[in-house]
Amino acid sequence: QKEVEQNSGPLSVPEGAIASLNCTYSDRGSQSFFWYRQYSGKSPELIMSIYSNGDKEDGRFTAQLNKASQYVSLLIRDSQPSDSATYLCAVNIYNNNDMRFGAGTRLTVKP
Amino acid sequence: KAGVTQTPRYLIKTRGQQVTLSCSPISGHRSVSWYQQTPGQGLQFLFEYFSETQRNKGNFPGRFSGRQFSNSRSEMNVSTLELGDSALYLCASSLAGTGSYNEQFFGPGTRLTVL
Repeated sequence: QKEVEQNSGPLSVPEGAIASLNCTYSDRGSQSFFWYRQYSGKSPELIMSIYSNGDKEDGRFTAQLNKASQYVSLLIRDSQPSDSATYLCAVNIYNNNDMRFGAGTRLTVKP
Repeated sequence: KAGVTQTPRYLIKTRGQQVTLSCSPISGHRSVSWYQQTPGQGLQFLFEYFSETQRNKGNFPGRFSGRQFSNSRSEMNVSTLELGDSALYLCASSLAGTGSYNEQFFGPGTRLTVL
């Protein structure tokens, strides 16, 4: 089992729709979780961090964490073509700045 | 506040050579992590430095090494380059060195091509 798993996609949604990205992780003791966005040819950009069970909202982005299910998700509301990118889930898997990344989900938002 | 900087941005080397990459973290950040990104393997953790000490290490051969200086700048070295070392090398800096609530911010990366 991989330490961090994501649906590789590609995921395609129409403009204005909600995009839902999912991630599961293997280490039950992990405490911190991150979502990064990576445009083609660019480096990853941090968009959300979440540490507690429940939802965390930032603008059009909502991160959801369920530690019991070892599951973290990212919702993008009112998706825009500029949201088209690869979204990487990252887990601080041993709680010691040892970050493990999922393979990423490629999202395409169609006008 | 300036972001993470990496030099050089692009490198072309031949098999058997060695290469040194440099990373300057965000001012005040003391932790620097290095990653390798390839289309096949994704983003893989190489190692992390904090206060000039390697604290964590990923599953890479000893040809990959690094160090950190007193000003938190870090260098990564790859010796005896192989074709499979062609990748985007990313460094990321974070503020604190301990605990789990450390957001990491990436530099633009160094694109290494091994011929």
